[in-house]
Amino acid sequence: EVQLVESGGGLVQPGGSLRLSCAASGFTFSKYWMHWVRQAPGKGLVSVSRIDNNGRDRRYADSVKGRFTISRDNAKNTLYLQMNGLRPADTAVYYCVRDWFGEFHWGQGTLVTVSS
Amino acid sequence: DIVMTQSPLSSPVTLGQPASISCRSSQSLVDSDGNTYLNWLHQRPGQPPRLLIYKISNRFSGVPDRFSGSGAGTDFTLRIGRVEAEDVGVYYCMQAAQFPITFGQGTRLEIK
Repeated sequence: EVQLVESGGGLVQPGGSLRLSCAASGFTFSKYWMHWVRQAPGKGLVSVSRIDNNGRDRRYADSVKGRFTISRDNAKNTLYLQMNGLRPADTAVYYCVRDWFGEFHWGQGTLVTVSS
Repeated sequence: DIVMTQSPLSSPVTLGQPASISCRSSQSLVDSDGNTYLNWLHQRPGQPPRLLIYKISNRFSGVPDRFSGSGAGTDFTLRIGRVEAEDVGVYYCMQAAQFPITFGQGTRLEIK
C-alpha cells in the first residue's frame, strides 16, 4: 500500500524556519517525481515545489523562491522541504504528493502555523 | 501560470440525481508527449484531496464508475452519474501539464 507520511509541521514565529519531511513507503520512491502542495485554512490548493526523481530538476512557486528548498534522499525514501524566512501567509497544511505521469497520490498533510 | 476556472462554484444536488462540473483552462493542456494532464480531485472536510480522474477520463484505482471525465483542449467536464451521500465535499480540477501545477477554485457539492 502506498503511504506518504508528512511530519515536521508546527507553530513558528515570523522569520523562523521549519523542515518538513515526507516518509514514503509501498512503492519505489526513486522512480517518482514529488511535489509539495499547500492549502491555507478554508482556501484552495496551491503548488509550492516539485522535484524530479533523481533530485536534479527542482522548481518553485514564485511566492517561495529563495526561501524554500526541496530535496530528497532516495536511500531513505524521504522527501524534504526546508522553509526559511517564514511569513504568516505561509500558514497552511502542506501535502506531500507523488506524481506518476499525472497520477497524483496525496499524503495526509502537516499543518504549519506562522504567528507571533 | 495556467489559470483553471471551474463552474459552478456550488452545486446543490438531490441524492440519486446526476451532477456535472465544468473546468476551463487558460491554455491547452496537451503536453509534448501527446497526453492531456487534466485531473479531478475530491476533498471531504478535514481530509486530504483524493484523485478521482487523471488525464481527462481515466478513473483512479478504487473510484466508482459513477464518476466520469470528458473533454479536450481547454474544456473539461466531471460527471457523477447518480450522487450518493459520500460524494459531498469540494471538487477541484487541476492541470499538471506545466509547472506550477494549478487548480480550479473548487466546486462545493452539497445534498439538497
